[in-house]
Amino acid sequence: EVQLVQSGAEVKKPGESLKISCKGSGYSFTSYWIGWVRQMPGKGLEWMGIIYPGDSDTRYSPSFQGQVTISADKSISTAYLQWSSLKASDTAMYYCVRRADYYDSSGYSDAFDIWGQGTMVTVSS
Amino acid sequence: SSELTQDPAVSVALGQTVRITCQGDSLRSYYASWYQQKPGQAPVLVIYGKNNRPSGIPDRFSGSSSGNTASLTITGAQAEDEADYYCNSRDSSGNHLPVFGGGTKLTVL
Repeated sequence: EVQLVQSGAEVKKPGESLKISCKGSGYSFTSYWIGWVRQMPGKGLEWMGIIYPGDSDTRYSPSFQGQVTISADKSISTAYLQWSSLKASDTAMYYCVRRADYYDSSGYSDAFDIWGQGTMVTVSS
Repeated sequence: SSELTQDPAVSVALGQTVRITCQGDSLRSYYASWYQQKPGQAPVLVIYGKNNRPSGIPDRFSGSSSGNTASLTITGAQAEDEADYYCNSRDSSGNHLPVFGGGTKLTVL
């Protein structure tokens, strides 16, 4: 079964660092981009950034550039999202997602076909 | 603010047809994908590409696109379709990075 399994919920204080993880299984981890999506309480989905574990090519949304770091360790099929100094406004659910690329008679398309279960991050003093 | 615009809320009578729309300039060049999210659950992909459904998604879900508008249509809405729906495509800047619409809450009456 293809799946992404994320690390558990975290409760942190402002200014602390944090690294959450997303482990892929059931497919070739190095052949698909892995992205991260934020969902603040009661709000919509926000795309944060993406990494290609095969060569660690990484792209960030301008809204999150410099605020977080995305990395991956292909030897253990795991992607990471980390903060060096958390803020209360980082309180949210974070999902990792797999991006699948499709080529058919209609041309190219892509989609986030597999989602992790989510990691809730709470930042409070 | 999102570069993809969705109506915040839509309602449909049980068994009727509903269309959820997503507007944005990038949709003239890129397909949208659609995600269903029920309370307390991770989103699920329901439509991708021109009009493709992942395995396990009922055929009452379909997608279409015209100009700068992508649409998700549910033909014969069921109670279990009540959820938030998000479109995703690329932004309109030169980066062409992914962006989500603001989401539409679908209520099945």
